[in-house]
Amino acid sequence: GAGVSQSPSNKVTEKGKDVELRCDPISGHTALYWYRQRLGQGLEFLIYFQGNSAPDKSGLPSDRFSAERTGESVSTLTIQRTQQEDSAVYLCASSLAWAGHNEQFFGPGTRLTVL
Amino acid sequence: DQQVKQNSPSLSVQEGRISILNCDYTNSMFDYFLWYKKYPAEGPTFLISISSIKDKNEDGRFTVFLNKSAKHLSLHIVPSQPGDSAVYFCAASVDKIIFGKGTRLHILP
Repeated sequence: GAGVSQSPSNKVTEKGKDVELRCDPISGHTALYWYRQRLGQGLEFLIYFQGNSAPDKSGLPSDRFSAERTGESVSTLTIQRTQQEDSAVYLCASSLAWAGHNEQFFGPGTRLTVL
Repeated sequence: DQQVKQNSPSLSVQEGRISILNCDYTNSMFDYFLWYKKYPAEGPTFLISISSIKDKNEDGRFTVFLNKSAKHLSLHIVPSQPGDSAVYFCAASVDKIIFGKGTRLHILP
């Protein structure tokens, strides 16, 4: 079946604008994660959704960042009033359950550039 | 505070030889460790994992070793092949997965 898809693949925006990034997980995967990778850095955890439980938002860097997930399907990551330091590749991953012991499947990422 | 450290940003290895990628961690509560491989413009893909109750896990050319007393794990690839050239991320989990910064492996012809 289809893997994790993300859109757009690239996004260039001006400082101060809002952006919305989309993730379509693998069908049947209850867990969904957002990460970001800044240049030269590792994967930074942002937020985690598991089924109908309250999301783990502990990795969101500021209140400009928010994410939603509709049931066990699509998720959107919204960044308000973008700043240049938000420039990064934003990666989404999904897994059958809590991925501590389950393989995560990653999408190709969205490269965000804030001018 | 980096809980998962990959101190070598890059590594070059001759084709056919052994590649050894290292990872150190600080949190003794981590109970599972994973390695992911990433090609340019693609998302990471799962490679191999190990539970904290084991010290070795092998899958074909890939072997992961865990030394809990030293809080160190390593990924061995033997023999190394050109397609192994990629960035390798070490990751550890307890209530969430923490990734290292990655090591770029170059396999030389």
